[in-house]
Amino acid sequence: AQSVTQLGSHVSVSEGALVLLRCNYSSSVPPYLFWYVQYPNQGLQLLLKYTSAATLVKGINGFEAEFKKSETSFHLTKPSAHMSDAAEYFCAVSYYGNNRLAFGKGNQVVVIP
Amino acid sequence: NAGVTQTPKFQVLKTGQSMTLQCAQDMNHNSMYWYRQDPGMGLRLIYYSASEGTTDKGEVPNGYNVSRLNKREFSLRLESAAPSQTSVYFCASSSPGWETAQPQHFGDGTRLSIL
Repeated sequence: AQSVTQLGSHVSVSEGALVLLRCNYSSSVPPYLFWYVQYPNQGLQLLLKYTSAATLVKGINGFEAEFKKSETSFHLTKPSAHMSDAAEYFCAVSYYGNNRLAFGKGNQVVVIP
Repeated sequence: NAGVTQTPKFQVLKTGQSMTLQCAQDMNHNSMYWYRQDPGMGLRLIYYSASEGTTDKGEVPNGYNVSRLNKREFSLRLESAAPSQTSVYFCASSSPGWETAQPQHFGDGTRLSIL
């Protein structure tokens, strides 16, 4: 079964510092990978997605992620954290011919002024 | 653009009561999904409907039923609510994308407490 691992349920980052959220997937076939963000009392919004066109994917709000097949990883980064980045972030995976998503357990990001 | 609309936004039930969560999308999507979100568990798929007239079980279907009423609407029913079903429920929709995965679009959720 497809699965995603996100380590560290809570991540604290200082305002202006690098945001790094790790995502590893288990797969023997090429996956589609997504990062979603959830603000308090809201649904999930798509940040970015990887569909094999390019290994470095740029998303909204200055976030980007790099697909590394050798490491089965799709880590999310942002060079400089902003207070508005405080939210929960989810990595998800699906496969060709199957639109079902498997989500990681999420990272709650806290931005410290 | 409304996107995905869920009703109600909040609900409190007593154990054993039944209720239906409603979901409607206005994006002409074929596929619709129901998830539950629990602290530290991420989102888990309850049921999904790949197209109008079809439904399939997801990861955690026990205690739930669904109805794909038409292309726009996909409802989730709890026949006899249990405290373990206290959760936040999300509906999502997507267009089919077998060659390039289409993202799912989410509603704002229904917060359900069962006493």
